[in-house]
Amino acid sequence: EAQVTQNPRYLITVTGKKLTVTCSQNMNHEYMSWYRQDPGLGLRQIYYSMNVEVTDKGDVPEGYKVSRKEKRNFPLILESPSPNQTSLYFCASSSGWGPGQVLSYEQYFGPGTRLTVT
Amino acid sequence: QQQVKQSPQSLIVQKGGISIINCAYENTAFDYFPWYQQFPGKGPALLIAIRPDVSEKKEGRFTISFNKSAKQFSLHIMDSQPGDSATYFCAASLYGGSQGNLIFGKGTKLSVKP
Repeated sequence: EAQVTQNPRYLITVTGKKLTVTCSQNMNHEYMSWYRQDPGLGLRQIYYSMNVEVTDKGDVPEGYKVSRKEKRNFPLILESPSPNQTSLYFCASSSGWGPGQVLSYEQYFGPGTRLTVT
Repeated sequence: QQQVKQSPQSLIVQKGGISIINCAYENTAFDYFPWYQQFPGKGPALLIAIRPDVSEKKEGRFTISFNKSAKQFSLHIMDSQPGDSATYFCAASLYGGSQGNLIFGKGTKLSVKP
């Protein structure tokens, strides 16, 4: 089954304790992104990657790191989490081509990771 | 200039009615405008998308209307059903969406009453 998986799904941690949220896709997609979703603010892009070793900042990159060493994986790293990073995080992947070789840039989202930093 | 403004924040519609959600943008370089639907506890999923070379796109009960001169686009849900109750996000992107980065609106929570 084509999917984007994230782990963990729920995480409660304390300020300053480094954490990593993993993201993996099995669709051979070139593009991957991380978003955070907060009430009243919608979805805001943190980082995105156009291919292996190619990453760029989104709208809210402060306090986050990413790496893309393999095409299928795109982990999100919080080196020193703070309470304002409490949020719902989504990983997404996309490709230039959809079913039937139709040009498509549909983003496929993972199930989300709910992070609480105390 | 990178913002996408979405309204209303919430919407209540009777079953069978028409739901209308509006979005506006400033950056005229945007050239890909998708709508995503999100059910509680799930990630967003693409509903329908349009490019600025057409003024309307229809898929089933869902229609995007696009007004390039006004820099506005809207989602119309005809014959709204309780199963359509979800949060809807409009978005915009550069380069036809090819670089995988989307600018989202803040979302509209739609409730369809039976």
